[in-house]
Amino acid sequence: NAGVTQTPKFQVLKTGQSMTLQCAQDMNHNSMYWYRQDPGMGLRLIYYSASEGTTDKGEVPNGYNVSRLNKREFSLRLESAAPSQTSVYFCASRPDYQAKNIQYFGAGTRLSVL
Amino acid sequence: AQSVTQLGSHVSVSEGALVLLRCNYSSSVPPYLFWYVQYPNQGLQLLLKYTSAATLVKGINGFEAEFKKSETSFHLTKPSAHMSDAAEYFCAVNRRGGSYQLTFGKGTKLSVIP
Repeated sequence: NAGVTQTPKFQVLKTGQSMTLQCAQDMNHNSMYWYRQDPGMGLRLIYYSASEGTTDKGEVPNGYNVSRLNKREFSLRLESAAPSQTSVYFCASRPDYQAKNIQYFGAGTRLSVL
Repeated sequence: AQSVTQLGSHVSVSEGALVLLRCNYSSSVPPYLFWYVQYPNQGLQLLLKYTSAATLVKGINGFEAEFKKSETSFHLTKPSAHMSDAAEYFCAVNRRGGSYQLTFGKGTKLSVIP
């Protein structure tokens, strides 16, 4: 069972470059989330999506855009990367019925912006 | 609004000793509470969750946590630490209903000394 799959695992960008972080889940979940993890800060919510075609801002959305093109995939885009966006990014999804309060996480994308 | 405070960013214990990781929460409504574990360079894995059934919750790998409403606490314990328990531990809260967004504590890194 793949669960939540994130690509790439590692990425180095130069300031001003753009990139898209990909996330896909095979658990038929409607809700999906993007978090960033910084040392001493825990995880903070960037965006979430309650269903295909809908997205909402979380705690730290500035500098990011998201797309929920279908039920499986939820991508995070950095249009013009900044050093402050150096972080580890996690995607998560949760079921809609049984155990609907539990989120399942991917392995993360480690991003460095130089 | 809800928040989580984890006391101690770094805890060291000897192998075989008691593990106690502290978590206090703030929530205006009855919360769901979680402990997640993150091993080096990996994603987050659910250890245990409290969803208003039993106040003493047992999780994986011998961990347990007790929900104490009067103290607004959800401390994580394990009677005897093992080297494999070395990891970072996150306490998280979400409110019932809505988007089930998770609010994380800043994390506690557990070191186990042989």
